Amino acid sequence: EAGVVQSPRYKIIEKKQPVAFWCNPISGHNTLYWYRQNLGQGPELLIRYENEEAVDDSQLPKDRFSAERLKGVDSTLKIQPAELGDSAVYLCASSFGGFDEQYFGPGTRLTVT
Amino acid sequence: KNEVEQSPQNLTAQEGEFITINCSYSVGISALHWLQQHPGGGIVSLFMLSSGKKKHGRLIATINIQEKHSSLHITASHPRDSAVYICAVRSNTGNQFYFGTGTSLTVIP
Repeated sequence: EAGVVQSPRYKIIEKKQPVAFWCNPISGHNTLYWYRQNLGQGPELLIRYENEEAVDDSQLPKDRFSAERLKGVDSTLKIQPAELGDSAVYLCASSFGGFDEQYFGPGTRLTVT
Repeated sequence: KNEVEQSPQNLTAQEGEFITINCSYSVGISALHWLQQHPGGGIVSLFMLSSGKKKHGRLIATINIQEKHSSLHITASHPRDSAVYICAVRSNTGNQFYFGTGTSLTVIP
């Protein structure tokens, strides 16, 4: 069974440019998470979806970050415009339900120059 | 203020040693997770527990709900155990997740 798929794995952009990350969760998993992990830190939850509904986006910087999960399966996370401080690894995870074990994708390492 | 605190932050051990990583939390929880992250790699969930003790191979995780404390033990450590171990909790109010900053483990042959 395929795990959580993320793309791209690496992205380098100049500040003020837009960037988008894509996540395909494990088949059948209703809950999808986007995390940001800064170097030497633990992951920080950005947004959590239950099917297509964002049920927790309290930590998402809404002035520049947006996310969608239109059909309740794949999800995209967008930053526009990117800032230097956005350099981090963006992790996607999924679980069968909101109280079940999470499975993480390999992450997208973003570098903003 | 960190809802989840881990200790130690860094740990170096000789191959074969018994290792303990500690996690303390300050919120009421519905579950606690232990995660493993290799350099440049993704995160793997090792355990999810809400009470008692779980064992998988050489790994053992325990939790004391009253003391708000969990430990991850590695018996007969091996260099391939070298990774960052992260403790995370899910609060029982609002279903929010809180992560520790991780414990970086290096096992020397």
